[in-house]
Amino acid sequence: AQSVTQLGSHVSVSEGALVLLRCNYSSSVPPYLFWYVQYPNQGLQLLLKYTTGATLVKGINGFEAEFKKSETSFHLTKPSAHMSDAAEYFCAVSGGSYIPTFGRGTSLIVHP
Amino acid sequence: DAGVTQSPTHLIKTRGQQVTLRCSPKSGHDTVSWYQQALGQGPQFIFQYYEEEERQRGNFPDRFSGHQFPNYSSELNVNALLLGDSALYLCASSTGTSGGETQYFGPGTRLLVL
Repeated sequence: AQSVTQLGSHVSVSEGALVLLRCNYSSSVPPYLFWYVQYPNQGLQLLLKYTTGATLVKGINGFEAEFKKSETSFHLTKPSAHMSDAAEYFCAVSGGSYIPTFGRGTSLIVHP
Repeated sequence: DAGVTQSPTHLIKTRGQQVTLRCSPKSGHDTVSWYQQALGQGPQFIFQYYEEEERQRGNFPDRFSGHQFPNYSSELNVNALLLGDSALYLCASSTGTSGGETQYFGPGTRLLVL
């Protein structure tokens, strides 16, 4: 069985501030972990993913995430928020069965 | 290079009707997955098609069925529509079925059941 918990349905930051979106997962097998972004009325776009190897993963648009097995976490960060980062963010996990499980999403609000 | 395309973009049906949604994968991709995204929720996996066969299925009833054609395009069919089937239906394409591959999502079909 696998599951994803995204802490905080809404996160509000000022432009230029650090972005931190939290994701905790459970998986009975070594996980594949993903972060996606969804803009209004659009599909999902992959920001980054962890499969194996280096635990600090860099993605597009300045985002990065660190896989911490001991904490079962895969938090998403960006040093400096931009207005264009305002969107819905989804964390997802897939394990041996492949069937991916998505979190409920975190809405990122960026204030000028 | 066209990405994943879906049709129609919007659809309104009444309870008990049947609906067919269509998806064309990104060029070079052979695997298509379908997801249901209810309002305010994350996507839920419906099923995945590879080599014209259903390879994986999520927790959805048999009212949800699909098909993949030799050109890798796919259809999602939903019979006996319920109000609760109202959602955004997303198609995603990829190469392979290991679980770690990158999926490319289409813009979705928004279905409203009245």
